[in-house]
Amino acid sequence: GAGVSQSPSNKVTEKGKDVELRCDPISGHTALYWYRQSLGQGLEFLIYFQGNSAPDKSGLPSDRFSAERTGGSVSTLTIQRTQQEDSAVYLCASSLDLDREMPDTQYFGPGTRLTVL
Amino acid sequence: LAKTTQPISMDSYEGQEVNITCSHNNIATNDYITWYQQFPSQGPRFIIQGYKTKVTNEVASLFIPADRKSSTLSLPRVSLSDTAVYYCLVGDIKNYGQNFVFGPGTRLSVLP
Repeated sequence: GAGVSQSPSNKVTEKGKDVELRCDPISGHTALYWYRQSLGQGLEFLIYFQGNSAPDKSGLPSDRFSAERTGGSVSTLTIQRTQQEDSAVYLCASSLDLDREMPDTQYFGPGTRLTVL
Repeated sequence: LAKTTQPISMDSYEGQEVNITCSHNNIATNDYITWYQQFPSQGPRFIIQGYKTKVTNEVASLFIPADRKSSTLSLPRVSLSDTAVYYCLVGDIKNYGQNFVFGPGTRLSVLP
């Protein structure tokens, strides 16, 4: 079946512009996660959704970052007034159900490579 | 928040068994241990998960001692295609989000 998809795959923007990154999770997955990965670094957790709700937004790097999820499916990560330090690969993952005894397997998308000039 | 420590990098040769150890001294009672694999230009992929003792699947084995303060991912007979970054995660489903943290991982290089 279809995996997690993300768009665009690459985005080049100018400093100060706003960008929107999209994630389409696996159908039926109730949990969705956003991570950021700078070149050669580990993953930095940003935010997760259970359904359309994000219980904890403290992982977002600044108030220029926001995320939403609608219909329990598609999610959008928006970065306003982009800065050069925002350049990274933004990864999205989804998992089936958080209401279990052990952590769900997260299925990752291919990522969006964001370059801020 | 359970912190993990694992080697930054490891080298191995094709056909060898590779063991990557992760330390998590302050693991909590409800925490599980999960390993992911990441190839260049791809998102991470689940390998194996366990709570205690030993878990084995078609890809790897996970050894967890009784005190659970460490765990060892074992990859049998590695090939060149196993060259990747391996992440050890410790987390509790009831405190999700930032409690489930990907550290810098171990960069495994398999040589011919």
